[in-house]
Amino acid sequence: KNEVEQSPQNLTAQEGEFITINCSYSVGISALHWLQQHPGGGIVSLFMLSSGKKKHGRLIATINIQEKHSSLHITASHPRDSAVYICAVSVSNDMRFGAGTRLTVKP
Amino acid sequence: DTAVSQTPKYLVTQMGNDKSIKCEQNLGHDTMYWYKQDSKKFLKIMFSYNNKELIINETVPNRFSPKSPDKAHLNLHINSLELGDSAVYFCASSPQESGYGYTFGSGTRLTVV
Repeated sequence: KNEVEQSPQNLTAQEGEFITINCSYSVGISALHWLQQHPGGGIVSLFMLSSGKKKHGRLIATINIQEKHSSLHITASHPRDSAVYICAVSVSNDMRFGAGTRLTVKP
Repeated sequence: DTAVSQTPKYLVTQMGNDKSIKCEQNLGHDTMYWYKQDSKKFLKIMFSYNNKELIINETVPNRFSPKSPDKAHLNLHINSLELGDSAVYFCASSPQESGYGYTFGSGTRLTVV
């Protein structure tokens, strides 16, 4: 069993829909990261969280340390949001990755 | 202005060859990493360097060797390339060992034929 589990694996939405991607982890962490990987392959760091909630534009990330769970929300989704979203956790001097959620937003 | 730069972006080579992928960061970060993204899109850590010291060395074949001439560079050398080495390799850096503030390179797609 992977230490970082994401759901769903694949997600298709219509433009404008509110989207939620979930991440659960089973290890002690110092931080949790949400990453975005576009079809071209480059990885961009969206958020780094150790508690609470962060917002950047239409993206919101929350984390519940007690429940070992994080969510990434996208409001008013747009086709350009189509990408793979990866949850990752920092464990000591290592980083563990989820398998990613492939999001497709249709116009 | 690129924070973490990898070269080359694409690399096609024959089995048995030796190749290198270069990585440079201009962020002043203390730790640099190499990750391999497998066919299922999982990112697996291969190596990390902190101030020229290897601090993580996962069970990768010893055909892979990291080389860090200075704090801003971590190059990946691969000897005797095999078909199974085909993957996307990502370089990353972070300010310190705790893993905050990760910044990734754009990846190098290695194809072994």
